[in-house]
Amino acid sequence: QVQLVESGGGLVKPGGSLKLSCAASGFTFSDYYMSWIRQAPGKGLEWVAYIRNSGSNIYYADSVKGRFTISRDNAKNSLYLQMNSLRAEDTAVYYCARERESTYGLMGTGTLAYWGQGTLVTVSS
Amino acid sequence: IQMTQSPSSLSASIGDRVSITCRASQTINNYLNWYQLKPGKAPKLLIYDAFSLQSGVPSRFSGSGSGTDFTLTISSLQPDDFATYYCQQSYSTPLLTFGGGTRVEIK
Repeated sequence: QVQLVESGGGLVKPGGSLKLSCAASGFTFSDYYMSWIRQAPGKGLEWVAYIRNSGSNIYYADSVKGRFTISRDNAKNSLYLQMNSLRAEDTAVYYCARERESTYGLMGTGTLAYWGQGTLVTVSS
Repeated sequence: IQMTQSPSSLSASIGDRVSITCRASQTINNYLNWYQLKPGKAPKLLIYDAFSLQSGVPSRFSGSGSGTDFTLTISSLQPDDFATYYCQQSYSTPLLTFGGGTRVEIK
């Protein structure tokens, strides 16, 4: 079955860096577009970043553009989020998610069919 | 595209019919998805493309609407349904946006 497992969260000081990983299994990782989504304490969900299956097209929310980098290693079935210049407002549970393909097997639906359980990032001095 | 959900929370009893609404700031056709979140668990896709039931999701969940106004309905609330629900538009993929969430609590 599809499984996504995030890791790499923890406590970091403002201005610091952290790299999150998402290990994928149960499907052909190289076929699917992936996203990172976060949920700050007591807040709603916020889309963070998106990467197509080849890694050639990448998009970011304005709130993280220039500070965060999404990447993937299809040989290792892994998704990453490099977070630099972290701020208190980046404190959140970070989820990786896999897209649902369309009825015709096409990507780019924007529907997040599978999610991991999340990893907590706390930015505090 | 801004997504507005209402109510932000509701209290209901087992067996109640519950409806949650979601409004988009512009037309999104039927590119609307619903998710269920529980603390410490992976979020779960319930409904995609406004009314299509994700595989494995109980049939008491249903979605309706198109354009700018959408509804998630739980026909008979069960103990496992107490959670927070989010709508999400996929019209402007990959720039995805979510509603503010609706917390469903036990009355």
